[in-house]
Amino acid sequence: DIVMTQSPDSLAVSLGERATINCKSSQSVLDRSNNNNYLAWYQQRPGQPPKLLISWASTRESGVPDRFSGSGSGTDFTLTISSLQAEDVAVYYCQQYYSIPPYTFGQGTKLEIK
Amino acid sequence: QVQLVESGGGVVQPGRSLRLSCAASGFTFSRYGMYWVRQTPGKGLDWVAVISYDGSKIYYADSVKGRFTISRDNSKNTLYLQMNSLRVEDTAVYYCAKRAGYDFFHYWGQGTLVTVSS
Repeated sequence: DIVMTQSPDSLAVSLGERATINCKSSQSVLDRSNNNNYLAWYQQRPGQPPKLLISWASTRESGVPDRFSGSGSGTDFTLTISSLQAEDVAVYYCQQYYSIPPYTFGQGTKLEIK
Repeated sequence: QVQLVESGGGVVQPGRSLRLSCAASGFTFSRYGMYWVRQTPGKGLDWVAVISYDGSKIYYADSVKGRFTISRDNSKNTLYLQMNSLRVEDTAVYYCAKRAGYDFFHYWGQGTLVTVSS
């Protein structure tokens, strides 16, 4: 099974500042035949279900603000929020879909306002 | 728009059974794989089971294999999770989710809480 590890576990950032969340997989999730990274990011606001933000490591879902961006390849990935807004307070999860089942998530990173 | 509405959660004693349902609308249900994912209160996300669009392929997490059964009725646009031999550690919010074209979780329901307690 591929283990996903996020860092940090929690993060406090001032409004308007940059937030960076890391995700590391125990094995590469890059398919070299198509150069795609099988990595997704989700946002879970308090009291809400998760919401898909990014797939293929860097492809934003329709309607997701462009302050959210994903990067990385192979085993190391980053979710960046370029200018934190109050509505971005949430727990963020990464998930690999390269080697399934099982479908595995990171443990989550809690993002708060400083 | 895509809507997924779970139901059937509640409080149940260890060893008993419960069946969850997920009513889908806003998309062609019979064309998409579906998942169950659970979340222990205050904790992270754990995938439980997946079923292909036609029910021909099914996979389970090791933690529920042999106890839980995922199924679907495409004529009713409904996904099910039959949970038998429930354990205290099965206590969680259970979400149904729609598969995208690939194996990530495109849309999620609001979830239904299952509490296993004596």
